[in-house]
Amino acid sequence: NAGVTQTPKFQVLKTGQSMTLQCAQDMNHEYMSWYRQDPGMGLRLIHYSVGAGITDQGEVPNGYNVSRSTTEDFPLRLLSAAPSQTSVYFCASSYKGNNGYTFGSGTRLTVV
Amino acid sequence: AQSVTQPDIHITVSEGASLELRCNYSYGATPYLFWYVQSPGQGLQLLLKYFSGDTLVQGIKGFEAEFKRSQSSFNLRKPSVHWSDAAEYFCAVGGANTGFQKLVFGTGTRLLVSP
Repeated sequence: NAGVTQTPKFQVLKTGQSMTLQCAQDMNHEYMSWYRQDPGMGLRLIHYSVGAGITDQGEVPNGYNVSRSTTEDFPLRLLSAAPSQTSVYFCASSYKGNNGYTFGSGTRLTVV
Repeated sequence: AQSVTQPDIHITVSEGASLELRCNYSYGATPYLFWYVQSPGQGLQLLLKYFSGDTLVQGIKGFEAEFKRSQSSFNLRKPSVHWSDAAEYFCAVGGANTGFQKLVFGTGTRLLVSP
């Protein structure tokens, strides 16, 4: 049982490049979310999904796209990276309801 | 709008001493409250959660938290801190009004443990 798996762990991008951060969970969780963590700002919600085919925006969605074609996978796409997107990104999943999230180990992204 | 305030950015505690980390929340209805811990370079691990019922909840690693509705607080406590407890701690709030999946996190408190 791997839990929530994020790849890659580290990435350096040039401004304007695109990339996809991968997130997969094997717990059959309905809910999945993407957060970014910046120093002194805690975690901020980017996008979330309550099930396959259903996504919605969180607090800081600009510059990011998501899709949820399967229960297991929830990739986060950066279409044109900007230095302001330098951050640590966490994917999390939970059962429907109020059980609390299981977090992945994060992706540290630097945009130069 | 929901929000969480963790007023202490850093706290230093001697090993073996007691610990209390503060968390104040703002939420328009009955909140669901969580404490998470993050070790350096790691993801967040759920320590405990409060949904309803007994206002004193027990979690993993010997932690407990008390929900006080009148004070809008959910402080985390541990009677005797171990060096391995050094980490960053995050309080979060969510609930039925805004969706259980839309947790709002505080900015975190970094715990340092001195020998």
